[in-house]
Amino acid sequence: GESVGLHLPTLSVQEGDNSIINCAYSNSASDYFIWYKQESGKGPQFIIDIRSNMDKRQGQRVTVLLNKTVKHLSLQIAATQPGDSAVYFCAYNTDKLIFGTGTRLQVFP
Amino acid sequence: KAGVTQTPRYLIKTRGQQVTLSCSPISGHRSVSWYQQTPGQGLQFLFEYFSETQRNKGNFPGRFSGRQFSNSRSEMNVSTLELGDSALYLCASSLGRGGDTGNTIYFGEGSWLTVV
Repeated sequence: GESVGLHLPTLSVQEGDNSIINCAYSNSASDYFIWYKQESGKGPQFIIDIRSNMDKRQGQRVTVLLNKTVKHLSLQIAATQPGDSAVYFCAYNTDKLIFGTGTRLQVFP
Repeated sequence: KAGVTQTPRYLIKTRGQQVTLSCSPISGHRSVSWYQQTPGQGLQFLFEYFSETQRNKGNFPGRFSGRQFSNSRSEMNVSTLELGDSALYLCASSLGRGGDTGNTIYFGEGSWLTVV
């Protein structure tokens, strides 16, 4: 069946360090992947996306890496800040958006 | 440009009642999707409407229904509420159909439903 999984439910990082959030998926037919950030009490917010014809895409302080061979997706956040504290979801788009279970990122001083 | 707007933001209902939630998509967006979010089940897809037609449905009982109007605004209804229906209900809109490559989906802040 279809699934999108996350390796770690909680990630704690020190302010200023880089964060890496991982995601594994099982459906090799998907060609579009998205990362969302959800802060407490709010809806998911689009961060960055990547199509399957790319391996890497960069945004402002964020980079998404896609390894189609092992069906793995990661989100890298540079110089993590307290405002980055949230739950991060990966998702892939087939005929609907399938979400992973989420990783909570905690940033401590 | 205004984002996805959901009303009401918070509501409390009693078991057996029914509830209607409303969603106004981003201007120009024709697709509206609904998701249920709970701590135990994460984000679960309910259904998607595109140009007033339901084009996809998740694995939820028939008590969950929805519709989309000609102005793309959407409503979802839950009848005969159960305690397990307590959740955050999220609406998302996009220009194209869900599943289209590059079709970014944007979420509203959600409606918090508590069933007592």
